[in-house]
Amino acid sequence: AQSVTQPDIHITVSEGASLELRCNYSYGATPYLFWYVQSPGQGLQLLLKYFSGDTLVQGIKGFEAEFKRSQSSFNLRKPSVHWSDAAEYFCAVGPRGTGFQKLVFGTGTRLLVSP
Amino acid sequence: DVKVTQSSRYLVKRTGEKVFLECVQDMDHENMFWYRQDPGLGLRLIYFSYDVKMKEKGDIPEGYSVSREKKERFSLILESASTNQTSMYLCASSARLAGGLDNEQFFGPGTRLTVL
Repeated sequence: AQSVTQPDIHITVSEGASLELRCNYSYGATPYLFWYVQSPGQGLQLLLKYFSGDTLVQGIKGFEAEFKRSQSSFNLRKPSVHWSDAAEYFCAVGPRGTGFQKLVFGTGTRLLVSP
Repeated sequence: DVKVTQSSRYLVKRTGEKVFLECVQDMDHENMFWYRQDPGLGLRLIYFSYDVKMKEKGDIPEGYSVSREKKERFSLILESASTNQTSMYLCASSARLAGGLDNEQFFGPGTRLTVL
């Protein structure tokens, strides 16, 4: 069965420092890959997605992610973190091809930003 | 702007009560979903619907049912609420693209349900 692992439950980063959030997946084939962000008290907002093509994907709010097939990873990065980036981040995978897209989510990583 | 709304942000109910959580989307999306979110468990799919009056069980359907009488509205029903259903409930919707591929999911703000 497919699964998504986000090994870091919490991460604390200083404002202005770089960020990398890890995501590994287990899937029979290359899935579609997503990163979502959830600010406190809010629903999830899509940051970026990978369907095909360039394995380095640019998203909103200055985030990017790189798909590495050999490592079954889709890590999220940002070169300089802002205090407003403090939130919970979820990686998700979905089946490739036609048909219903039932997503599997990781357990999330909570990002804390220190002054 | 894309919008998914949920009827309540916070809800407190008693054990045994019948609970309705409503979700409405204004994007004419074919697919709609109900998740529950619990700390350390991420999001788990309860039910989904890919068309009016159609529904499919997700990963944790026990104790829940759903209704989709109109394309824009997807209701989650707790027939007899129990304390272990205290959780954050998130609704989402997505479009069916050409070729049958589904697009990204858009989420509502969530309903935090407490069952006493």
